[in-house]
Amino acid sequence: DIQMTQSPASLSASVGDRVTITCRASQSISSFLNWYQQKPGKAPKLLIYAASSFQSGVSSRFSGSGSGTDFTLTISSLQPEDFATYYCQQSYSVPYTFGQGTKLEIK
Amino acid sequence: QVQLVQSGTEVRKPGASVKVSCKASGYTFTDYYIHWVRQAPGQGLEWMGWINPNSGGTNYAQKFQGRVTMARDTSISTAFLELSRLTSDDTAVYYCARGNIVVVSTVLGFEYWGQGTLVTVSS
Repeated sequence: DIQMTQSPASLSASVGDRVTITCRASQSISSFLNWYQQKPGKAPKLLIYAASSFQSGVSSRFSGSGSGTDFTLTISSLQPEDFATYYCQQSYSVPYTFGQGTKLEIK
Repeated sequence: QVQLVQSGTEVRKPGASVKVSCKASGYTFTDYYIHWVRQAPGQGLEWMGWINPNSGGTNYAQKFQGRVTMARDTSISTAFLELSRLTSDDTAVYYCARGNIVVVSTVLGFEYWGQGTLVTVSS
């Protein structure tokens, strides 16, 4: 199975900050990398697919980059509604594993 | 609008089985894969497998092989997840999610999700 490792596990930031979350795959997954946002008690929400493609309706504050084994999710200017947990997921091969999550908290 | 509506909370004893349903609306059910993902309390997301609603074909994560069955009833646009020989480790919220269109093999993330079904396994 492909292991997905996110860093950091948690992050404290302020409204207006620029933040970056990293996801590393245990082997090359080309660009088959997706990012989700999850708020407590809610289903995950797809933000970015194929490493850098914007999901319709998602704020342009969110952007993704990377290929191969190293990927990043950047939030350009944090808004109050962005405080949540973020997950990466590889969709290169089954099982479609997720990272362990990054909890973004208000400083 | 696309919606996936799941069945309600379940409580089971260890060793029992549970069956969760996921009713799709707003699109042609047989055109898109359905995936199942679970989340234990306070934990991350775990992919369990997919079903092709058109063919009925399935692909299960090795971890669940022999214990999981994914099925569908196209007449009611509903997918089902059945998990047997439950233990306390199976206590989780189970989500269905719509995957890619079945004629395309590339998986580009799960855009639509059900609301989740809490399954509690306790003696």
